[in-house]
Amino acid sequence: SQTIHQWPATLVQPVGSPLSLECTVEGTSNPNLYWYRQAAGRGLQLLFYSVGIGQISSEVPQNLSASRPQDRQFILSSKKLLLSDSGFYLCAWSLTGGYSGANVLTFGAGSRLTVL
Amino acid sequence: QKEVEQDPGPLSVPEGAIVSLNCTYSNSAFQYFMWYRQYSRKGPELLMYTYSSGNKEDGRFTAQVDKSSKYISLFIRDSQPSDSATYLCAMSEKGSARQLTFGSGTQLTVLP
Repeated sequence: SQTIHQWPATLVQPVGSPLSLECTVEGTSNPNLYWYRQAAGRGLQLLFYSVGIGQISSEVPQNLSASRPQDRQFILSSKKLLLSDSGFYLCAWSLTGGYSGANVLTFGAGSRLTVL
Repeated sequence: QKEVEQDPGPLSVPEGAIVSLNCTYSNSAFQYFMWYRQYSRKGPELLMYTYSSGNKEDGRFTAQVDKSSKYISLFIRDSQPSDSATYLCAMSEKGSARQLTFGSGTQLTVLP
């Protein structure tokens, strides 16, 4: 069965510090991968998605970047965090397009980031 | 106007009550509809998936889609304290997760 791991679960970082959140998927090959941010009362905002190694699409201009160095690894990064980067970050995967259920997302447990 | 509107709650009900959670949307091209359940400090998990209009039942849960009114509902029968969570609706035009649009979520508490 497929599983998704996301870490760290919680972190507190000072403004201006770097960020690295990691996500790995097991039990599937060539998944589509996603990073979302969830703010209270505002639903889920898609930040990045990837259809393959090194292929990253950004949905929202921001202080963050994403990378996919391996098929089942997705990393969210920042060189200098802002206060506004605080939030709950979720990694997710889906089947690639054309497959039944390709619009279903499976989420990781999330990473809560507090920038002080 | 948001593309998907969802009452944020919070909603509190006694154990055993029937719960109705709703979302309205403006894009008539949406044809895939989902409900996700999110426990506190966890990621959302898929609860119900429907295509086009109609009802779908799974145990105590029923998902209903009314495309003519652009309105979807999730009913929970015999609600349990373990149903306490935030419920997010999500929808898309096509079979691509990248195009999913989420509601902001309704926080539900079922009191024992």
